[in-house]
Amino acid sequence: AQSVTQLGSHVSVSEGALVLLRCNYSSSVPPYLFWYVQYPNQGLQLLLKYTSAATLVKGINGFEAEFKKSETSFHLTKPSAHMSDAAEYFCAVTLPFGNEKLTFGTGTRLTIIP
Amino acid sequence: ETGVTQSPTHLIKTRGQQVTLRCSSQSGHNTVSWYQQALGQGPQFIFQYYREEENGRGNFPPRFSGLQFPNYSSELNVNALELDDSALYLCASSSGGKGPSPPGYTFGSGTRLTVV
Repeated sequence: AQSVTQLGSHVSVSEGALVLLRCNYSSSVPPYLFWYVQYPNQGLQLLLKYTSAATLVKGINGFEAEFKKSETSFHLTKPSAHMSDAAEYFCAVTLPFGNEKLTFGTGTRLTIIP
Repeated sequence: ETGVTQSPTHLIKTRGQQVTLRCSSQSGHNTVSWYQQALGQGPQFIFQYYREEENGRGNFPPRFSGLQFPNYSSELNVNALELDDSALYLCASSSGGKGPSPPGYTFGSGTRLTVV
């Protein structure tokens, strides 16, 4: 079975600083990986996804993530944090075949310090 | 192109009651998945419907059931509500279903269910 682990349930960065949210996965076959963002009292919005093409994936709002098979990681980064980035971020994994069930991590709450 | 819409947005039920949540999938999508997100947790997969048939189920008891209609909209039914069923219920639609197509999920804003 596949799983993801998000290191750090809370991350705080200063406005303008680098954002780094960590995600490690476990899967018996090369997986598809996703990052979603959730604002308070809202659903999930897709930031970016890795589906076995380029290992460096660029998403919306200036976010990007790099798939590293050797490290089983898919960390999310943004060079310069903005106040509007404050939200909950979820890493998720699914297998390329089957019913595309998403398995989510427990989430990382990102706080931006003015 | 309309997105995924869920109704109602908020709901309060009493323990032991039954509830039905509704989801309209995004235009062109034939697959609907339901997730439960407890407070402070990541979403947990409940089940998926593809072309009106259940296509996978998570670790939820049978009192969680669902339907998908010919227009690909869906319902989630929960019987004998328990306090622990209080959560945000998310619906996601996609055009995948079976096979290795690259997934494109669109999530609704969810239904917040409170069981008292």
